[in-house]
Amino acid sequence: DQQVKQNSPSLSVQEGRISILNCDYTNSMFDYFLWYKKYPAEGPTFLISISSIKDKNEDGRFTVFLNKSAKHLSLHIVPSQPGDSAVYFCAANLIQGAQKLVFGQGTRLTINP
Amino acid sequence: SQTIHQWPATLVQPVGSPLSLECTVEGTSNPNLYWYRQAAGRGLQLLFYSVGIGQISSEVPQNLSASRPQDRQFILSSKKLLLSDSGFYLCACIRSGGYTFGSGTRLTVV
Repeated sequence: DQQVKQNSPSLSVQEGRISILNCDYTNSMFDYFLWYKKYPAEGPTFLISISSIKDKNEDGRFTVFLNKSAKHLSLHIVPSQPGDSAVYFCAANLIQGAQKLVFGQGTRLTINP
Repeated sequence: SQTIHQWPATLVQPVGSPLSLECTVEGTSNPNLYWYRQAAGRGLQLLFYSVGIGQISSEVPQNLSASRPQDRQFILSSKKLLLSDSGFYLCACIRSGGYTFGSGTRLTVV
């Protein structure tokens, strides 16, 4: 049962344009959501998070939007830069007995010069 | 803030051999500890978590086991590796500073 889904395995964007990565979830008990960036053979790097009581959080070039009614969140990167090329994971925090982080499958973002 | 040390970085093991991956945490006490695996082309799957010494919870049935002999030590083991155990293994912890991940171990079972 995939509770967090990233339906686009890959995305290609022109440098300078906006990158939009999407994520859907099914569990209403998630209390906050996170986006991570990951390079091969490295651990994930935290980018930005959003509480389930908010609908937007912005940090520099990164903005996360949360639509609770649709159980959908998205990460906007603008402007996109070549260094943004990586795999991006959406994750959701759940406290059910113990605290856990549930990840989506990831989206490989490629920024073209 | 907490730091996670994970080793080895890469490992090639034959099918049927044992496995022991170690993770240690610095900069915090009594953290929750996690083992995740990323199989080829897949997301990060939670394998085990631990809320304290000797306390292990398994998320998915599999060929692996975990142990927490000390507060800041988390070990992932197998008695006999399968080809399907290949993947990228990540240790993580959470304490007051949020989630922290180790640098991972790339395991290839041949």
